[in-house]
Amino acid sequence: KAGVTQTPRYLIKTRGQQVTLSCSPISGHRSVSWYQQTPGQGLQFLFEYFSETQRNKGNFPGRFSGRQFSNSRSEMNVSTLELGDSALYLCASSLEGITDTQYFGPGTRLTVL
Amino acid sequence: AQSVTQLDSQVPVFEEAPVELRCNYSSSVSVYLFWYVQYPNQGLQLLLKYLSGSTLVKGINGFEAEFNKSQTSFHLRKPSVHISDTAEYFCAVSGAPNDYKLSFGAGTTVTVRA
Repeated sequence: KAGVTQTPRYLIKTRGQQVTLSCSPISGHRSVSWYQQTPGQGLQFLFEYFSETQRNKGNFPGRFSGRQFSNSRSEMNVSTLELGDSALYLCASSLEGITDTQYFGPGTRLTVL
Repeated sequence: AQSVTQLDSQVPVFEEAPVELRCNYSSSVSVYLFWYVQYPNQGLQLLLKYLSGSTLVKGINGFEAEFNKSQTSFHLRKPSVHISDTAEYFCAVSGAPNDYKLSFGAGTTVTVRA
């Protein structure tokens, strides 16, 4: 069974640009969550989607947005990039939610110059 | 809101020795508790989780944790570590039943030496 796939794995952008990250969950999983990991702030929750509906959102500015498609694949978008957005962005999928085992992808390493 | 505090940022340990990683949580509601491991340049892997029932939870790779409601703790233990257990370990909490998110601690780096 294929694991959670995140593309691209590495990304370099400049301030002011926007970026879209993609996450393909494990087949049959309908819940997808996104987390930001930085050395200073640690792991922080961005949002969670289930069947194309956002069920929870973390404390991030409106520049961070996401969506989920009917095949459960998810994308997150960050507009007007800032230096502080440099981070490892992790995606996790599960069957239906938090009580099911969350499987994390390898992450997308975003560097903002 | 739920939060966790991992009491040790770094834990050095010799191979075949026991290890305990401490985690305290704070919450005004019922919680679910988790321990994850992250190896270098990889995503997170679930070690074990407490949802309800028995307070002693057994996980993968010989790890176990005990949920203590009175002390609001969820400490992780392994009786004998291997070099391959060198990694960063995260405790996480979620508010039951409809929080849909994990709140992570700052992490504990375990370094196993021969």
